[in-house]
Amino acid sequence: LAKTTQPISMDSYEGQEVNITCSHNNIATNDYITWYQQFPSQGPRFIIQGYKTKVTNEVASLFIPADRKSSTLSLPRVSLSDTAVYYCLVEVVGADGLTFGKGTHLIIQP
Amino acid sequence: DSGVTQTPKHLITATGQRVTLRCSPRSGDLSVYWYQQSLDQGLQFLIQYYNGEERAKGNILERFSAQQFPDLHSELNLSSLELGDSALYFCASSGVAGWYNEQFFGPGTRLTVL
Repeated sequence: LAKTTQPISMDSYEGQEVNITCSHNNIATNDYITWYQQFPSQGPRFIIQGYKTKVTNEVASLFIPADRKSSTLSLPRVSLSDTAVYYCLVEVVGADGLTFGKGTHLIIQP
Repeated sequence: DSGVTQTPKHLITATGQRVTLRCSPRSGDLSVYWYQQSLDQGLQFLIQYYNGEERAKGNILERFSAQQFPDLHSELNLSSLELGDSALYFCASSGVAGWYNEQFFGPGTRLTVL
């Protein structure tokens, strides 16, 4: 049973805000929600992490409702360089190996 | 640049051969992780070492082995190679500093088995 479910692909245009939602109905109390970004032929890169409510950093925001059964990664004013695969992970603190699902292929068009 | 280095960048070899992939973690990071990314299986965790000791195993085949040396660099050994072992192999490291579950990935080694 997959821990997370997210769209296979999405597309948007430069300058738009993009929201990618991830479902994690079986999230446990000790789990944190983490998002990674991966460009072709490169290793994944940590974007943001949260436990509940809202987290914001210089590149993205993460919204987590009170029941924590889903989360939304928000990328403000995307550019062509944001075209990548975005992975939603649900892991306990100090997880050993990370479990990556299929991810969401985000394509940004001019 | 994540600070994690991997060599070689590309490796082409034949079936039945043995290869060694090398990884140097970020300065100060004690944990090293190995992942395999193939088109059909996606990104899969293989094995983790912490300060020289094996800490966790994922979907690592018996033909594969790894070790972490006193200087904290790590090597992944792949033997009796098969066509299906062709993939990108990533090394990642993590340490005390940083977010929970934040791992820093290297640029990867692309292995092609002919």
